[in-house]
Amino acid sequence: GAGVSQTPSNKVTEKGKYVELRCDPISGHTALYWYRQSLGQGPEFLIYFQGTGAADDSGLPNDRFFAVRPEGSVSTLKIQRTERGDSAVYLCASSVNTGELFFGEGSRLTVL
Amino acid sequence: QKEVEQNSGPLSVPEGAIASLNCTYSDRGSQSFFWYRQYSGKSPELIMFIYSNGDKEDGRFTAQLNKASQYVSLLIRDSQPSDSATYLCAVKAASYDKVIFGPGTSLSVIP
Repeated sequence: GAGVSQTPSNKVTEKGKYVELRCDPISGHTALYWYRQSLGQGPEFLIYFQGTGAADDSGLPNDRFFAVRPEGSVSTLKIQRTERGDSAVYLCASSVNTGELFFGEGSRLTVL
Repeated sequence: QKEVEQNSGPLSVPEGAIASLNCTYSDRGSQSFFWYRQYSGKSPELIMFIYSNGDKEDGRFTAQLNKASQYVSLLIRDSQPSDSATYLCAVKAASYDKVIFGPGTSLSVIP
C-alpha cells in the first residue's frame, strides 16, 4: 500500500516482557516520527528520525525505550521490561520534512 | 507550562453552525502550525496547515494564525455531524523538526 504501515496492530504482553513495534513509512519520506497516545490525550512525541539518525529522542520516557531506523526506511520501536504504564497506542508518522505528518493506524500495546 | 494548549471540550454545536477551536503555544520560535482531525479509534489526519499570520481558507475550514499572540484557531463553517471528532493542534519550530501536539478538543455536531 501507499500509506504508513504499522505492525502489529495489537499486542498484548505481560509485565517485564520485551516488545518490538514496526513502522514502514511512505516511500520517499525521509522523516519518521514515533508518538504515544493514551485515551483522551493528544499524541506524545517520543522520537524523530531524519534518514537513519535519531535527530531528536528527547521524548523517550526512559532507557527502556529505544528506536532504530538502520536503512533510513523501516523503523522499530523497542521497549524493554514493559510496565503497565506503557500501555497505549503507539503511532508512527512519516513526512517529507514539512511537518505535515501521515500517520499509520497505530499499534495498540496492552501490558498485563 | 505545556507547549501546546487547547480547550479539551467537549464542544457541542448544532448542525450548520460555526465551530471555533482554539490553540495557544509557548515557543515563540514556532513557524509551522497544523490542524489534525482524529475520529474515535482512528489515527490523526491532516486537515489544515498555516505558516503565515492571517487567515487561510480551504472549503469549510479556515485556519487563523496570530504569532504575536501565539495563537492559532480553526473555524469550521456549516458544521456537519461528520465533523464530530477530536481536533488536534500541532506546532513545529523552525530550529528543529519535532512536531508537538496539543491535547485535542472534542467536537460534537448535533443534528
